[in-house]
Amino acid sequence: GAVVSQHPSWVICKSGTSVKIECRSLDFQATTMFWYRQFPKQSLMLMATSNEGSKATYEQGVEKDKFLINHASLTLSTLTVTSAHPEDSSFYICSALPRTSGATDTQYFGPGTRLTVL
Amino acid sequence: QQQVKQSPQSLIVQKGGISIINCAYENTAFDYFPWYQQFPGKGPALLIAIRPDVSEKKEGRFTISFNKSAKQFSLHIMDSQPGDSATYFCAASMAGRRALTFGSGTRLQVQP
Repeated sequence: GAVVSQHPSWVICKSGTSVKIECRSLDFQATTMFWYRQFPKQSLMLMATSNEGSKATYEQGVEKDKFLINHASLTLSTLTVTSAHPEDSSFYICSALPRTSGATDTQYFGPGTRLTVL
Repeated sequence: QQQVKQSPQSLIVQKGGISIINCAYENTAFDYFPWYQQFPGKGPALLIAIRPDVSEKKEGRFTISFNKSAKQFSLHIMDSQPGDSATYFCAASMAGRRALTFGSGTRLQVQP
């Protein structure tokens, strides 16, 4: 149980195009999802917190208009990288906090999406 | 302070040995401390987690030791195996803000 999927697993796009990444909780509902970014051999950096039915909360330094986040349902959050540029190339990982997490606070991570912008 | 400091950056252990990774935090509001394992090109997977009211937690070969007064916690991997070779991240979160703050990661290599 507690599986999170991401689609696509990898994507290559041209500079200036937009890319949408989906994050789904397959067997549980998640009121909160998180988006992280990870550069090679580095740690995960939180980009934004996504709550179902409300606007995402972005971390300092993350451009809201660049990284559009939508959390339209309890099982789906999307991250759209708009007008992507080579510096946006990275590994994007989502995580989901089950609606009934209670005392455990366990977040379940997706497998990540490798974005390469040419 | 949101930072979580992790050491060492890399670790080489012989098969069957004990791997020890340490983390320290500043923010006393943190109340949940998980450890994640990540293989190249994959998302992190939860190994074990602890709360400040417990000083030690063991699950199989993995043990977390927690020192609340020192604001430190560590992961011990007993009988380390080559399959344990991965990057390990400590993390912390707090009530009201469940986003994780990650340590810098430790690349563990277990030699046969």
